[in-house]
Amino acid sequence: EIVLAQSPGTLSLSPGERATLSCRASQSVSSNQVVWYQQKPGQPPRLLIYGASSRATGIPDRFSGSGSGTDFTLTISRLEPEDFAVYYCQQYGRSPTFGQGTKVEIK
Amino acid sequence: QVQLQQWGAGLLKPSETLSLTCAVSGGSLSGYYWTWIRQPPGKGLEWMGEINHSGSTNYSPSLTSRATVSIDTSKKQLSLRLTSVTAADTAVYYCARGVIAVAARFDSWGQGTPITVSS
Repeated sequence: EIVLAQSPGTLSLSPGERATLSCRASQSVSSNQVVWYQQKPGQPPRLLIYGASSRATGIPDRFSGSGSGTDFTLTISRLEPEDFAVYYCQQYGRSPTFGQGTKVEIK
Repeated sequence: QVQLQQWGAGLLKPSETLSLTCAVSGGSLSGYYWTWIRQPPGKGLEWMGEINHSGSTNYSPSLTSRATVSIDTSKKQLSLRLTSVTAADTAVYYCARGVIAVAARFDSWGQGTPITVSS
């Protein structure tokens, strides 16, 4: 099983600031199998980024993804009030797994 | 746009069987993997298993012996059965559509069904 470790666990930032979220895999993952989701309380996860760097339909361009091999990053260039949420990375191999999440909270 | 609507009994006793159903509307079953994912209270997401329109299944190694995912193509519904539940199975359960062509992802999700296991 591929284990995904997300860091930091919590990110305290102000609106307008840049957020950088990390996801490290226990073994190399194909970039076309790396996904990022946003989840708000009481809601299902929302697809943000797939293929490590492709934005899903309707996702603003302040969200971007990058990385390869074992290290992947989600960047939010300028935080909007609606961006404060929990973010999960995921690898979609034969047995998909998720990271434990990074909470982006208002400072 | 595809929509997933799910339902099932929300309160179970230990050793009982969990049964959930997810109805798919606005899209085809073909070409996708239909998936169950759960989230314990305050915790992260766990992939449980998946099925395609032909009935081919894959399961999480930690659940293989207890979980069964099935599909009724005539009703456009998928189902999850989880036997011998314990308190550790308390979670919100989601159905989701898995896209595996080109770049894999879960692009549509059900609303979630909270399940509590308690004596």
